[in-house]
Amino acid sequence: GQNIDQPTEMTATEGAIVQINCTYQTSGFNGLFWYQQHAGEAPTFLSYNVLDGLEEKGRFSSFLSRSKGYSYLLLKELQMKDSASYLCAVTDSNYQLIWGAGTKLIIKP
Amino acid sequence: ETGVTQTPRHLVMGMTNKKSLKCEQHLGHNAMYWYKQSAKKPLELMFVYNFKEQTENNSVPSRFSPECPNSSHLFLHLHTLQPEDSALYLCASSQEGTGENIQYFGAGTRLSVL
Repeated sequence: GQNIDQPTEMTATEGAIVQINCTYQTSGFNGLFWYQQHAGEAPTFLSYNVLDGLEEKGRFSSFLSRSKGYSYLLLKELQMKDSASYLCAVTDSNYQLIWGAGTKLIIKP
Repeated sequence: ETGVTQTPRHLVMGMTNKKSLKCEQHLGHNAMYWYKQSAKKPLELMFVYNFKEQTENNSVPSRFSPECPNSSHLFLHLHTLQPEDSALYLCASSQEGTGENIQYFGAGTRLSVL
C-alpha cells in the first residue's frame, strides 16, 4: 500500500528552528509537496521538490532524498504565526496525490 | 478575492436533509477536486473533474453526488448523510498538464450531520 508518515505534533520555541520530517512509500514518484494549513483555513502551497536536494524560500526550506523516500521541511526564525498544520503529499506514478495526516506545529513564546 | 471560494463555510444538517456545497475557482484552471478532511487523518480524495469530465470517483457513497457545470464551478450535492460524514469538505483546483500541477484550495465547508 501507499503510505506517508509524518509526526502528529511538534512543539518549538519562537525564534528557533524546527525540522518536520516526512517519509513515504509510494508506487513511483513524481514530486513531493508541502502545504501549510492554519486552523479553519485552506491548505496553502509552500514548496515542491522533484529532484534531490534543498529548495530554499525565505525562512522555509524543503529537502528531498528520493533514494531514501524522505523529505523534511525546515522552518527558521519561528514566529507565532507559523503555528499551523504542515501537510506532506507525494505524487505517485499515476499522478495521484497521496497525502500524509499532517503535523501540527505549536509555537511557544 | 481569493482564488478558490467555497460556500457555505459551515453547515449543519439532519440525516434526512438535502443540501449542496458550492465551489468556484477564479484561477482559470482546468481541473477541480473534492476532498474530505477528518481530524488527524490524511486528506481523502473524493472526486476529480478535468475539463468538466469526471475522471476520479474514489468509491464514494452515492449519498454524495458531484456536479461540474463548467470549468469554474463545482458542486457537491448531499442527501441522507450519516453522522460519520461530518468533516471538513475542501475544494481545490489546478492546471493539469503543467509539470508541478499545484493544487489551490478553498477554505472548506465544515459539515456537521446530526
